[in-house]
Amino acid sequence: DIVMTQSPDSLAVSLGERATINCKSSQSVLFTSTKKNYLAWYQQKPGQPPKLLLYWASTRDSGVPDRFTGSASGTDFTLTISSLQAEDVAVYYCQQYYSTPYTFGQGTKLEIK
Amino acid sequence: EVQLVESGGGLVQPGRSLRLSCAASGFIFDDHALHWVRQAPGKGLEWVSGISWNSDFIHYADSVKGRFTISRDNANNSLYLHMNSLTTEDTALYYCTKLGAGGWFDPWGQGTLVTVSS
Repeated sequence: DIVMTQSPDSLAVSLGERATINCKSSQSVLFTSTKKNYLAWYQQKPGQPPKLLLYWASTRDSGVPDRFTGSASGTDFTLTISSLQAEDVAVYYCQQYYSTPYTFGQGTKLEIK
Repeated sequence: EVQLVESGGGLVQPGRSLRLSCAASGFIFDDHALHWVRQAPGKGLEWVSGISWNSDFIHYADSVKGRFTISRDNANNSLYLHMNSLTTEDTALYYCTKLGAGGWFDPWGQGTLVTVSS
């Protein structure tokens, strides 16, 4: 199974500042024929189901603000929120869909400092 | 608008069974694979099971293999999860979710809560 490890477990950032969440996969999730990383990011606000933010590691889903960006380097992935807004308070999860069992990171709780 | 509405959760004793349902609307149901993902109280997300559009391909997490059965009824736009031999470890909010074009999950239902307790 591919293990997804996020860091940090929690993060407090001031409004308007940058937030960075990391995710590392235990093996590559890059499909060589498509040159795509099979990785998604989700946002889960309290009392709500997860919401898709990014797929293919860096493609924003429809309607997702452009302050959310994703990047990849080998088996290391990063979700960056360029200027934190109050509505971004949530738990963020990465997930690989390269192979079953599909696996999630343990989550990173983002709060306002 | 795509909608996924789960039902069937509740309080059940260890060792008993339960069947969850997910009613789908707003998309061509039999064009898409569907999955169940669960979240224990205060914990992270755990993929449980998935089924292809025609039920030819079915996968389970090791934690539920042999106890849970996923199925779908394309005529009635419904997804099911039959859960047997439930344990307290199965206590969670169970989400129904549609598999996106590349393999991500989008959208998700609101979930149905399963509590296994004596």
